[in-house]
Amino acid sequence: DAGITQSPRHKVTETGTPVTLRCHQTENHRYMYWYRQDPGHGLRLIHYSYGVKDTDKGEVSDGYSVSRSKTEDFLLTLESATSSQTSVYFCAISGDRYGYTFGSGTRLTVV
Amino acid sequence: AQKVTQAQTEISVVEKEDVTLDCVYETRDTTYYLFWYKQPPSGELVFLIRRNSFDEQNEISGRYSWNFQKSTSSFNFTITASQVVDSAVYFCALRPASGGSYIPTFGRGTSLIVHP
Repeated sequence: DAGITQSPRHKVTETGTPVTLRCHQTENHRYMYWYRQDPGHGLRLIHYSYGVKDTDKGEVSDGYSVSRSKTEDFLLTLESATSSQTSVYFCAISGDRYGYTFGSGTRLTVV
Repeated sequence: AQKVTQAQTEISVVEKEDVTLDCVYETRDTTYYLFWYKQPPSGELVFLIRRNSFDEQNEISGRYSWNFQKSTSSFNFTITASQVVDSAVYFCALRPASGGSYIPTFGRGTSLIVHP
């Protein structure tokens, strides 16, 4: 009954290549978020969306872009992957103004 | 600006001990929500509780309890009679009750290790 899925779950890519991570929801929630999780830093917001085609930057947005052409999909693109972008990426959705549901995460390794 | 501080990076206890995870927050908003999430070794983030700022009643759910004190800007989480399955990273989070696209701010997490 996941309601939110992330793909891929794992990815290894080379430095300099573009990478796109996908977040798909079936809850019709308005708000979607991309976080990265790194040891010692907790969860840091990369980008978020408050509707179709409405997105904005978070605290660690450099090197990342997002798109939301449909309510259900929120894509995160690393334009030219670097080793510092090796991380676990989480997508979250929120629709009831109160709670957040997280995807299972994508473990990205940039070599 | 919002800030959430979880000063305890790692806590290690022996099974059946009680343990309290601290969460201190800063916000200029008069109304806001506080959350706790659990991240077990499997990696997923599991919602535990949401508390709004105008309800300071403490909450208990089984072995879990939460103490919200607006006067000290704290929202502490206590696990009674800890078990090995409680081993996880626990995150405290804060978000305004209105505006700002409801963006939550997370603390850096506290890693709880429960030894058998």
